[in-house]
Amino acid sequence: GNSVTQMEGPVTLSEEAFLTINCTYTATGYPSLFWYVQYPGEGLQLLLKATKADDKGSNKGFEATYRKETTSFHLEKGSVQVSDSAVYFCALLSGGSNYKLTFGKGTLLTVNP
Amino acid sequence: ETGVTQSPTHLIKTRGQQVTLRCSSQSGHNTVSWYQQALGQGPQFIFQYYREEENGRGNFPPRFSGLQFPNYSSELNVNALELDDSALYLCASSLGSPSRGAPALHFGNGTRLTVT
Repeated sequence: GNSVTQMEGPVTLSEEAFLTINCTYTATGYPSLFWYVQYPGEGLQLLLKATKADDKGSNKGFEATYRKETTSFHLEKGSVQVSDSAVYFCALLSGGSNYKLTFGKGTLLTVNP
Repeated sequence: ETGVTQSPTHLIKTRGQQVTLRCSSQSGHNTVSWYQQALGQGPQFIFQYYREEENGRGNFPPRFSGLQFPNYSSELNVNALELDDSALYLCASSLGSPSRGAPALHFGNGTRLTVT
């Protein structure tokens, strides 16, 4: 079956540090890949996505590249801000007839001033 | 445009009781999905509705059931509540037919269910 593995948190960084959150996946076919962010007390917000190999998704300074050869979709940001503190989820959308998202367990990021 | 709204925001129930959670889809969205997010875990897919029909189900027992109404709003019903049902229940809506890939799912803020 499909699965997503994220690096375990929590991750604590100082403001302006470089961020990497690793994500690897197992899936049949050619899934679409996503990063969602969850701020305290809120639902999930789509951060970025990539639908095919070598696509790069980007938004708000975050980037992730769909690497089929390594089945990875690592999230990066060059300079984090305190406002980036949240839980980040990697997810894949399996092919087929419905929009079932398979999520990783999430990585808590805390950015200190 | 209005986003996805869920009600209630918090709920406390006793083991064995039944609960109904509600979701209003984002305007114009015809597909709604429900997810269960246990504390410290990623969301798990419960089921999806497209044009009032169930269109896929995750690994949840039959006591989890749902409905989608003609205005595309939705309910999640859970019977015979168990302690492990305590979780954040998330609703997500999207637009498009199931044959198209990678739609944008818009999530509500969830209902926090506590079973005692």
